[in-house]
Amino acid sequence: DTGVSQDPRHKITKRGQNVTFRCDPISEHNRLYWYRQTLGQGPEFLTYFQNEAQLEKSRLLSDRFSAERPKGSFSTLEIQRTEQGDSAMYLCASSFELPGYGYTFGSGTRLTVV
Amino acid sequence: DQQVKQNSPSLSVQEGRISILNCDYTNSMFDYFLWYKKYPAEGPTFLISISSIKDKNEDGRFTVFLNKSAKHLSLHIVPSQPGDSAVYFCAASAANTNAGKSTFGDGTTLTVKP
Repeated sequence: DTGVSQDPRHKITKRGQNVTFRCDPISEHNRLYWYRQTLGQGPEFLTYFQNEAQLEKSRLLSDRFSAERPKGSFSTLEIQRTEQGDSAMYLCASSFELPGYGYTFGSGTRLTVV
Repeated sequence: DQQVKQNSPSLSVQEGRISILNCDYTNSMFDYFLWYKKYPAEGPTFLISISSIKDKNEDGRFTVFLNKSAKHLSLHIVPSQPGDSAVYFCAASAANTNAGKSTFGDGTTLTVKP
């Protein structure tokens, strides 16, 4: 297993367009997380899955954001009607279901909305 | 309301000396604390964690100290090496309430000078 993969690495889109990101976690991990990071700040929680179930979604996540993890494998994060404020690094991470177990992060998808 | 705070945005130390990175938290429900290191254009990498029932955890050159009464933790790197230059994030989770979801600080940029 080569770790957590995210695709694409970079995405430039026009305001109002929809974008979708993909994350392939470590196959043995049953938890998958999406975080967003802007310059000078730490990763901010968006949502997480245990297997295929989406167990929590941040209050900060508007209805324009949706995430899926069909069959408990890869996950997608879709942003509809993008806004300039959506410009950020979107990080995916996976983990075992163990208290205090560190995440394995992917390299992220850098979204720029113009 | 930022529950995990890293009050020093940057730290510069000489190679071979000790680096001390600090982190404060406000939520008494946190029971695991983690440190991550991040290089540019990469996702964060898990370094070391500590449970709230301990006050110290050591892994090679890295030691994390936890002071529960002060709601404060620190990461010590001894001896510091130029390759340690990166952004360090402190994170905290409450296993019983948030099922492993971590809250991150905004990071401290460590520069180790040769």
